Order: sequence, then C-alpha cells, then structure tokens
Amino acid sequence: AQSVTQPDIHITVSEGASLELRCNYSYGATPYLFWYVQSPGQGLQLLLKYFSGDTLVQGIKGFEAEFKRSQSSFNLRKPSVHWSDAAEYFCAVAAPGFQKLVFGTGTRLLVSP
Amino acid sequence: DTGVSQDPRHKITKRGQNVTFRCDPISEHNRLYWYRQTLGQGPEFLTYFQNEAQLEKSRLLSDRFSAERPKGSFSTLEIQRTEQGDSAMYLCASSRSTSGIGETQYFGPGTRLLVL
Repeated sequence: AQSVTQPDIHITVSEGASLELRCNYSYGATPYLFWYVQSPGQGLQLLLKYFSGDTLVQGIKGFEAEFKRSQSSFNLRKPSVHWSDAAEYFCAVAAPGFQKLVFGTGTRLLVSP
Repeated sequence: DTGVSQDPRHKITKRGQNVTFRCDPISEHNRLYWYRQTLGQGPEFLTYFQNEAQLEKSRLLSDRFSAERPKGSFSTLEIQRTEQGDSAMYLCASSRSTSGIGETQYFGPGTRLLVL
C-alpha cells in the first residue's frame, strides 16, 4: 500500500523568502502525485498534480513541484512567499488505476512579516 | 462550474444521535468520494461511488456509517448512534472518470461534526 511522509509539521518563512515543502512517498511504481492547500476551516484546493511526463510541474499561485523518482520525492516550491500563502499543505498519492487518495499529515506554513 | 457543495457546514450533536450529511458534486462528475479528517491529520478515505454504485469502502467505515448516491448525483453520509470519536471534518470530493489518465478530485468545503 502506498504512504506519504511530510517530515515538517510546521515551517515558518519570512514574507518574500523562498519556500520548499518536503514530501516523500512509498509506492512500488510511479504514483500519481498531488499537492493540496487547506485554509483554516476550509476544504482542500488543488495546487498542482503529476501524472507523467515532465517531472517539473507548474501549479496555481506561483507554486511548482518536482518529481524525483530516485528519491521518491515530490517537493513543493515557491520562489517568493506571500502572507496569503499561510495555510496547511497536504501532499497526496494515488496508485494508477485506483481512485482513493492517500494523504500525508500536512505541513502548516506560517509567514512572518 | 459551481464546485462541490456540502450541507450542513457545521453540526453539533449529542452522543447516540444520528446525523446525515449531504454532498452535491460538480455536475457531470460521475465519481464521488467521502473522506474524514481529524485534527492535525490529513484526510482519510472512507468510500467512493461511480455513478450510483458504491465501489470501495474503507475499514474505517464501521457499520454505523452508511453512504448512498441513489441517482448518481448527490450523496448522503449517515452516522448512526454517534460517538465522540466521530468528531471530525467530513470532506466530499468528485471527479470525472478517465481512461488511462489520472483523475483530479475536487473537494467541497467539508462538514465539521462535533459530538458532545
């Protein structure tokens, strides 16, 4: 069964600084990979996804992520963080051909002035 | 495209009562999913439907939980004899099935349940 690890529970970044959120997955082949963002009390909004092809994927709000098969990672990056980016970020995987998403425990991003 | 909607957004109930939540998926999405999210955790899969057929259920879905999607459109999730451990955010998502290509699930705002 697939699993996801997000090793950072909390991250604090200064506004305007760069951001990288880590995600490692466990799966025997290449899974489908997703990053979602959740604001307090809200549902999940899709930031970006990887199914196949180019390993660097662009998403909304200036986010990007890179799939690295050798490291079983799918880290999320943003070159310059805005205060409105403060939220909880979830990495998720799905096995091709299966419908359920398996989520990590999330990383809470705090943005300092 | 109005997005996935869920009703109610919040529910407070006493232990032992039954509760029912509703989810309206994005129109033309034939797949519908329910997830549960507890504090400090990521969402956990409960069940999913393709059209009106319930195709997979998690072991998390005890016999007190039942989900339906009678006409392949909206879905309901009922919890009977609620327990304090049922307190969580219940999230609904929908997607359109594709052949050979990955799908994207779009989530609703969730229903937050508190069992006293």
